[in-house]
Amino acid sequence: QSVLTQPPSVSAAPGQKVTISCSGSSSTIGNNYVSWYQQLPGTAPKLLIYDNDKRPSGIPDRFSGSKSGTSATLDITGLQTGDEADYYCGTWDRSLSTVVFGGGTKLTVL
Amino acid sequence: QVTLRESGPALVKPTQTLTLTCTFSGFSLTKSEMCVNWIRQPPGKALEWLARIDWDDDKYYRTSLKTRLTISKDTSKNQVVLTMTNMDPVDTATYYCARSIVRSPTLDCWGQGTLVTVSS
Repeated sequence: QSVLTQPPSVSAAPGQKVTISCSGSSSTIGNNYVSWYQQLPGTAPKLLIYDNDKRPSGIPDRFSGSKSGTSATLDITGLQTGDEADYYCGTWDRSLSTVVFGGGTKLTVL
Repeated sequence: QVTLRESGPALVKPTQTLTLTCTFSGFSLTKSEMCVNWIRQPPGKALEWLARIDWDDDKYYRTSLKTRLTISKDTSKNQVVLTMTNMDPVDTATYYCARSIVRSPTLDCWGQGTLVTVSS
């Protein structure tokens, strides 16, 4: 069981918007930055969002992140079939002194 | 350009010790605030963070595996080594190494991963 809670799956049509939630606690999201990772089938995870809402170079602005209290959200607009992947949130757990991840959300673009 | 590459055995027997090496380039673990992490992913399952070693040799371990894991670094070779004792079939997973910095949970660069199967 993961420390951070994500929905197992989400789906939407091409061109639409999807939101993926990530719920934690005061020892995790509540007091630390959140990152989001995209894992395309058969590949290693790739950093998508860091420090709650920042995009690394090369990540399109269709991907955006936010945080409020002990929850974080990843929004993807203008969905493309190439966005089909597993998405993970991650942060630091200050009570465990470890990195923690969510259970992952599988995005299907219908 | 930052790159990381994992290497190690593809198959280990139950009760054996697994030794994995992460060889990296494009940064140095002698530089202040640099860290290297190990993460694994069982087939079809979620990511599990395992361990981290910092530039100043501070080490952090997954609580449930703390007694089985050891992380170390060889800065002259730009390598980080993870050993896991008493391997079990449930430890079958793809093992990744990734870079981060102190005081940040962000894993900004990942290796391609190496699949380790535990079977007799």
